[in-house]
Amino acid sequence: KNEVEQSPQNLTAQEGEFITINCSYSVGISALHWLQQHPGGGIVSLFMLSSGKKKHGRLIATINIQEKHSSLHITASHPRDSAVYICAGRAQKLVFGQGTRLTINP
Amino acid sequence: DGGITQSPKYLFRKEGQNVTLSCEQNLNHDAMYWYRQDPGQGLRLIYYSQIVNDFQKGDIAEGYSVSREKKESFPLTVTSAQKNPTAFYLCARSTGGQGGYEQYFGPGTRLTVT
Repeated sequence: KNEVEQSPQNLTAQEGEFITINCSYSVGISALHWLQQHPGGGIVSLFMLSSGKKKHGRLIATINIQEKHSSLHITASHPRDSAVYICAGRAQKLVFGQGTRLTINP
Repeated sequence: DGGITQSPKYLFRKEGQNVTLSCEQNLNHDAMYWYRQDPGQGLRLIYYSQIVNDFQKGDIAEGYSVSREKKESFPLTVTSAQKNPTAFYLCARSTGGQGGYEQYFGPGTRLTVT
């Protein structure tokens, strides 16, 4: 069974801190999507990666295929980064993690 | 909004009534999806469609129905048979089918049934 596990479930930090959200996945998943869900509910696709690292602004996503692990990093975090971050594994269909609720306090 | 329009944003219904959630896309993409999100759980796939006039059940299709008469429209009906219909419903689109393609999500519809 394809599975995706995220940690932590909740994360609170101060503005400016470096943030890491982790995602582990099972055999059969070939790539990872990272998604951001805003407080209003809308979901935005951040990254899709199957190897190495991708960077967009203050966001960095890495994936280690051998260890079946991906991380999403946020540098110089800001209160507007507060959201739920979701990783989804690509198999026959997308398999979603439970999400990490990130709160950045000013 | 990921090129997808969902309406309405909030919907209230009485138990026992069917209700249809709208999903429209304007990017001529082939594949469309419906997901359900409950607190503390990951998104779960209800139905998906890869081409017009064809659709497939996802993991939790019981109590739901869909149609795909036009490429741009993929409405979801929550029937009275759905035991626990109160949830947040998300529609998504992609250029191709299922996990191999990046999916783009609409703003969602929050359905409350009392």
